[in-house]
Amino acid sequence: AQRVTQPEKLLSVFKGAPVELKCNYSYSGSPELFWYVQYSRQRLQLLLRHISRESIKGFTADLNKGETSFHLKKPFAQEEDSAMYYCALFTGGGNKLTFGTGTQLKVEL
Amino acid sequence: KAGVTQTPRYLIKTRGQQVTLSCSPISGHRSVSWYQQTPGQGLQFLFEYFSETQRNKGNFPGRFSGRQFSNSRSEMNVSTLELGDSALYLCASSPGVSSGSGEQYFGPGTRLTVT
Repeated sequence: AQRVTQPEKLLSVFKGAPVELKCNYSYSGSPELFWYVQYSRQRLQLLLRHISRESIKGFTADLNKGETSFHLKKPFAQEEDSAMYYCALFTGGGNKLTFGTGTQLKVEL
Repeated sequence: KAGVTQTPRYLIKTRGQQVTLSCSPISGHRSVSWYQQTPGQGLQFLFEYFSETQRNKGNFPGRFSGRQFSNSRSEMNVSTLELGDSALYLCASSPGVSSGSGEQYFGPGTRLTVT
């Protein structure tokens, strides 16, 4: 069965500091990984997906199949990055996403 | 395009009752997925519909059911409500290619409280 692990419930960093939100997955097939974000009082929204290899709002994430990881990184945290971040695994067979438990990122001034 | 809408936004029900939640996807989207979000279990997949057919189902009891209409609108129903069903129920839509997609657009959710 597939599983997504986000070990940190809360990550607190200072503005301008680097950010790394950890995500590990367990899946025997070929995974598609996503990061979703939920800002305060907003709906859950897609941040980025591994297949596009793009940078969104300064965030990047690289799929490491050897370490089964998909960590989210940003070199310089901004106050507006404060939000709840969810790592999600898509395994096909209908639009099922398996989510991690989420990491609350708090950027302090 | 208008986003995913869910009605009602808030519901209070009593144990043993049943409830129906509604979801209208983004225009043109054919796939609708439902998730339950609780502080203890996080986001859990309930089921997904594509062109009125259920394609996938999560590990929830049969009290949880759903359907999709020809206009892609979807409803989920929970019968014989239990206290543990109190949660935020999220609906998500996607264009719905035949192979499925992890790129989903979420609604604001329906907050269900069971007393």
